Amino acid sequence: GQSLEQPSEVTAVEGAIVQINCTYQTSGFYGLSWYQQHDGGAPTFLSYNALDGLEETGRFSSFLSRSDSYGYLLLQELQMKDSASYFCALRGKLIFGQGTELSVKP
Amino acid sequence: DSGVTQTPKHLITATGQRVTLRCSPRSGDLSVYWYQQSLDQGLQFLIQYYNGEERAKGNILERFSAQQFPDLHSELNLSSLELGDSALYFCASSVDGNEKLFFGSGTQLSVL
Repeated sequence: GQSLEQPSEVTAVEGAIVQINCTYQTSGFYGLSWYQQHDGGAPTFLSYNALDGLEETGRFSSFLSRSDSYGYLLLQELQMKDSASYFCALRGKLIFGQGTELSVKP
Repeated sequence: DSGVTQTPKHLITATGQRVTLRCSPRSGDLSVYWYQQSLDQGLQFLIQYYNGEERAKGNILERFSAQQFPDLHSELNLSSLELGDSALYFCASSVDGNEKLFFGSGTQLSVL
């Protein structure tokens, strides 16, 4: 079957850098997406990797290693508004991880 | 604003009842997806439609059904409701490939 594992919680301070990891198991890999969800709100797309390496989008970057079945989301220059849940998701399988709740402290 | 519209925003009903949730995808998007999110849980994939046809099915209960109409809007029907069906139901749409989904603001269903 397919599965994704993420840490349930991460805490960091404003201005810092934080990495949210995601490991996956799947038969047939097409890509890994990342979404942000503020409490009770709609998930919004952040980044996508189909090939190994780093994708950078402003303060957010996402990395993928297909050989390790592993990816991460990197958030730089953390702001209070980055406090939210972050989900990785498998393209094609339509499966989301359980989410990582990020708390940014002043 | 993602461009995906879901109605109603809130729905309160009783056990045993039937409800219909509605979703209008972004203009031009052919795929519609339905997800269930229970309190403090992840997004559970229910079902996907592409241009009117069912394309993929997740852990959708037999009491639940969905369809996509010729104008591409979709409806999710939940019947014989149970307390455990209380959740946030999201609709999402995409053009074709599903690396980037656009989510609606969800329907909060409360079954009392």
